[in-house]
Amino acid sequence: GESVGLHLPTLSVQEGDNSIINCAYSNSASDYFIWYKQESGKGPQFIIDIRSNMDKRQGQRVTVLLNKTVKHLSLQIAATQPGDSAVYFCAENMETSYDKVIFGPGTSLSVIP
Amino acid sequence: EADIYQTPRYLVIGTGKKITLECSQTMGHDKMYWYQQDPGMELHLIHYSYGVNSTEKGDLSSESTVSRIRTEHFPLTLESARPSHTSQYLCASSRGGWGPATNEKLFFGSGTQLSVL
Repeated sequence: GESVGLHLPTLSVQEGDNSIINCAYSNSASDYFIWYKQESGKGPQFIIDIRSNMDKRQGQRVTVLLNKTVKHLSLQIAATQPGDSAVYFCAENMETSYDKVIFGPGTSLSVIP
Repeated sequence: EADIYQTPRYLVIGTGKKITLECSQTMGHDKMYWYQQDPGMELHLIHYSYGVNSTEKGDLSSESTVSRIRTEHFPLTLESARPSHTSQYLCASSRGGWGPATNEKLFFGSGTQLSVL
């Protein structure tokens, strides 16, 4: 069925290194993708989004890459900091249902000082 | 900082009790959502609303009900809580629109952690 999933459930990164979190999606008709960060005890917070007519989008220290050929999404965090430790979710908006955002299972990022 | 609020933050109740989880937003968003999240797991949509007097069930079956009498308020009610309802409940809202390229990011509250004994 249609789903959004992550390749790695956990990721440990040395402070200062770059982090890459991956996500696979199965619905080729999806046209909007979002990355959320969820810190312990809080609700998810928007990080960055990308529409299907783009391959790359950059924010502050974060970059999202979209590869529609293999239905793959990634989040790159530059110079990872302890404050980046959290669970990261990718999510997609299905083209046939603009109101439903489908979340993947999440990747836990731990930053080693 | 998102202006969406959930109360209570934590709730421990006994089986069979009726409970209402509150969610309010001050952003004037038409769309509101309830997600259920178990520890370390993905979010599952249980209810959503397009606007006042509009409610729809989400992808995950839930015994809860919702109402949307005012734009800013989207409470979730469990008529008779059971241990299987133990979970975190997250409320969200979005501005949104209709049609292609109008998808909008979600703003989440801090969640209500419900424990049913």
